[in-house]
Amino acid sequence: RKEVEQDPGPFNVPEGATVAFNCTYSNSASQSFFWYRQDCRKEPKLLMSVYSSGNEDGRFTAQLNRASQYISLLIRDSKLSDSATYLCVVINNNDMRFGAGTRLTVKP
Amino acid sequence: DAGVIQSPRHEVTEMGQEVTLRCKPISGHNSLFWYRQTMMRGLELLIYFNNNVPIDDSGMPEDRFSAKMPNASFSTLKIQPSEPRDSAVYFCASRWDLLYGGYTFGSGTRLTVV
Repeated sequence: RKEVEQDPGPFNVPEGATVAFNCTYSNSASQSFFWYRQDCRKEPKLLMSVYSSGNEDGRFTAQLNRASQYISLLIRDSKLSDSATYLCVVINNNDMRFGAGTRLTVKP
Repeated sequence: DAGVIQSPRHEVTEMGQEVTLRCKPISGHNSLFWYRQTMMRGLELLIYFNNNVPIDDSGMPEDRFSAKMPNASFSTLKIQPSEPRDSAVYFCASRWDLLYGGYTFGSGTRLTVV
């Protein structure tokens, strides 16, 4: 089993749709969690941190479920510009793992 | 803040040649990471440094790969000799705290070994 797993997608959704991604992790001692966005042929860029209490940034909501060992990312009112690959990052002390990414395409 | 700076942006080299990739982290960031990304394997951590000291190099594929960080503002990743299977995008990233705070990635070096 991979340490960090994501559904690779692709998720194809119409503009305005709500879409959610999950990322599961195997190490229950993991301490920090992030979502990154990567556009084609570009570097990953930090989208948001994930806090235990859940956090929101505009149309984006991130949540952490320690009991079930997953983090989620919810995108509301999706825009064409949200099309990208979304990567989750799970950190435990010196061990940092990226998921393989979930590809999202938002269509007109 | 100029961000993480990598050079070169693109490198095409022949099999067997030595390749050196360079990275300048963000000033004040004390952790630096080298990643490799391919379609097949995604983002793989090769090695990371904390306060210029290599902490974990278990991701380095083999002895052909080596990395150095002689000071807080510069790191190199060297492949000698290079092979076609080394073709990938190599990212350098830095962060100010090993546990907390997000990574900032450089634009990457796209390496093609022919």
